[in-house]
Amino acid sequence: GQNIDQPTEMTATEGAIVQINCTYQTSGFNGLFWYQQHAGEAPTFLSYNVLDGLEEKGRFSSFLSRSKGYSYLLLKELQMKDSASYLCAVRDGGYIPTFGRGTSLIVHP
Amino acid sequence: DTEVTQTPKHLVMGMTNKKSLKCEQHMGHRAMYWYKQKAKKPPELMFVYSYEKLSINESVPSRFSPECPNSSLLNLHLHALQPEDSALYLCASSQGLSTEQYFGPGTRLTVT
Repeated sequence: GQNIDQPTEMTATEGAIVQINCTYQTSGFNGLFWYQQHAGEAPTFLSYNVLDGLEEKGRFSSFLSRSKGYSYLLLKELQMKDSASYLCAVRDGGYIPTFGRGTSLIVHP
Repeated sequence: DTEVTQTPKHLVMGMTNKKSLKCEQHMGHRAMYWYKQKAKKPPELMFVYSYEKLSINESVPSRFSPECPNSSLLNLHLHALQPEDSALYLCASSQGLSTEQYFGPGTRLTVT
């Protein structure tokens, strides 16, 4: 089975930096995804990590440590539109990832 | 075309009705998925099709019946649903089973 843990809710200020953590315990590991989901909308793909290290994509970066079962999503220069739920999804030895419960990020002016 | 489309956007149905949800993608993706999502919960996988064949059924009740008529289309037939089946139903597709998924906007289903 899988156990994926994320904070339920985080708040941050516009223009700031926020780090959303995801820890997982899986029988195997074959990649980790981050998705963004605005309320009432579909998830959109942000990043994919399968090797240790940092992947940078504009204002968003994602980090993975396989030995620690740990990933984070880093959002820089926060904007109001970044208020959304951020879902960590982990693939164990199989193909299909399992989603964590998501972290609701609220960005204040 | 880089999007997954779903129809209808909203659906209200009674417990004795039969309805269908439709999903379409023209990205040449060979894997397609149905997810169910309740408010403030993550998406729950229901079915996976790979190369138009059902490869995963996550023990979904038979009142939900998937169909993949061709590589671009995915349907979910609904019959005799229960009020607890009310949720957002998301369709997704991916190039293959191991690549990132692209989600449609979902169908918000209410069962009365």
